[in-house]
Amino acid sequence: DVKVTQSSRYLVKRTGEKVFLECVQDMDHENMFWYRQDPGLGLRLIYFSYDVKMKEKGDIPEGYSVSREKKERFSLILESASTNQTSMYLCASAFTGWTGAYNEQFFGPGTRLTVL
Amino acid sequence: ELKVEQNPLFLSMQEGKNYTIYCNYSTTSDRLYWYRQDPGKSLESLFVLLSNGAVKQEGRLMASLDTKARLSTLHITAAVHDLSATYFCAVDKGAQKLVFGQGTRLTINP
Repeated sequence: DVKVTQSSRYLVKRTGEKVFLECVQDMDHENMFWYRQDPGLGLRLIYFSYDVKMKEKGDIPEGYSVSREKKERFSLILESASTNQTSMYLCASAFTGWTGAYNEQFFGPGTRLTVL
Repeated sequence: ELKVEQNPLFLSMQEGKNYTIYCNYSTTSDRLYWYRQDPGKSLESLFVLLSNGAVKQEGRLMASLDTKARLSTLHITAAVHDLSATYFCAVDKGAQKLVFGQGTRLTINP
């Protein structure tokens, strides 16, 4: 089974702090994603990565950056946390089949971040 | 800009009844996903629908895709309490970039 793990389930930070959220997957997936989940809005894509050191902005990248130095690890960085970044953050990974048929994304357990 | 809308957003139903959740999307796509989320848990993949007319079934859940109408449905047959969860549809706007619906919170009462 695919396993996607996230470094923390709950995190409380203060406004202005730099925050790191870590995600690790164990299935050698090429693609990794960061989402935030807010009530009534579903999940929204922040950033994604197709390969090591490659990253692309998703739909709501403002205030966030990412890092992917190893294939299995994808980090989300809040350079200066703000209260409007209080949310549930979900990491996902997926395999891109050699035929180009994309498979579903597998999600981690999520990190509930509160910024005070 | 791709928009994905689910309805209803909240659904309370009795065990044994049938119901359908609808997922409408605004621009062309040929890949649609359904996920389930239990309270406090992450998302679990239910179905991947890859072509027009695709229908998939797993137990009491059946999902279908009509790409011409830009509509997917998730049908629940003879609901049981264990199906209580939030259900999301997600549409691929290209290269696995997903746009999610708002989610439908389903509560099944004995």
